[in-house]
Amino acid sequence: AQKITQTQPGMFVQEKEAVTLDCTYDTSDPSYGLFWYKQPSSGEMIFLIYQGSYDQQNATEGRYSLNFQKARKSANLVISASQLGDSAMYFCAMSPDTGRRALTFGSGTRLQVQP
Amino acid sequence: NAGVMQNPRHLVRRRGQEARLRCSPMKGHSHVYWYRQLPEEGLKFMVYLQKENIIDESGMPKERFSAEFPKEGPSILRIQQVVRGDSAAYFCASSQPKTGGTNEKLFFGSGTQLSVL
Repeated sequence: AQKITQTQPGMFVQEKEAVTLDCTYDTSDPSYGLFWYKQPSSGEMIFLIYQGSYDQQNATEGRYSLNFQKARKSANLVISASQLGDSAMYFCAMSPDTGRRALTFGSGTRLQVQP
Repeated sequence: NAGVMQNPRHLVRRRGQEARLRCSPMKGHSHVYWYRQLPEEGLKFMVYLQKENIIDESGMPKERFSAEFPKEGPSILRIQQVVRGDSAAYFCASSQPKTGGTNEKLFFGSGTQLSVL
């Protein structure tokens, strides 16, 4: 079975600073994918970034980067130059390398960006 | 190019009534997933469907809940005889036909907030 752990219920960051949101995972699958989604107060789930377990390089998407440490089973999200619009819930998720493909989500981290 | 459409956005039901939640996937997507989110929690997988087939319903409660994705029309999540504990946000996601690998990105709808009085 897969498990995603996000140990930070809430985080504060000053505008324009960088912030790291933690995510650790547990799986017995030989290959897997790791995702981060953003959920603003309006409720929709917005895809941010993806990392494959066999990818050699850490994924980056604009101001988002994923600090993937396979041996430690961690997939932390780094947001650089935080903006007020980054205030939201952030969810880490994992997909297995099986036909099921359903994502397993963590409990989320609420990020608040302060001016 | 419309995204995943869910309706209604908000649904209020009294205990014992039926709730029907609809989801139209993105154009070209034939895979639909339903998730439930309780307040301040992550999304919990419920069911995965392809057209006219339930692929994985391991997250569905055994009673009162059912899902379908007919050949024509939206996917429907049906909750019979709702109870207060069913109050939650229900999200639908869709993806393209499986091409292999682990990077199948899910596109989510805006969710349906079900409130049971």
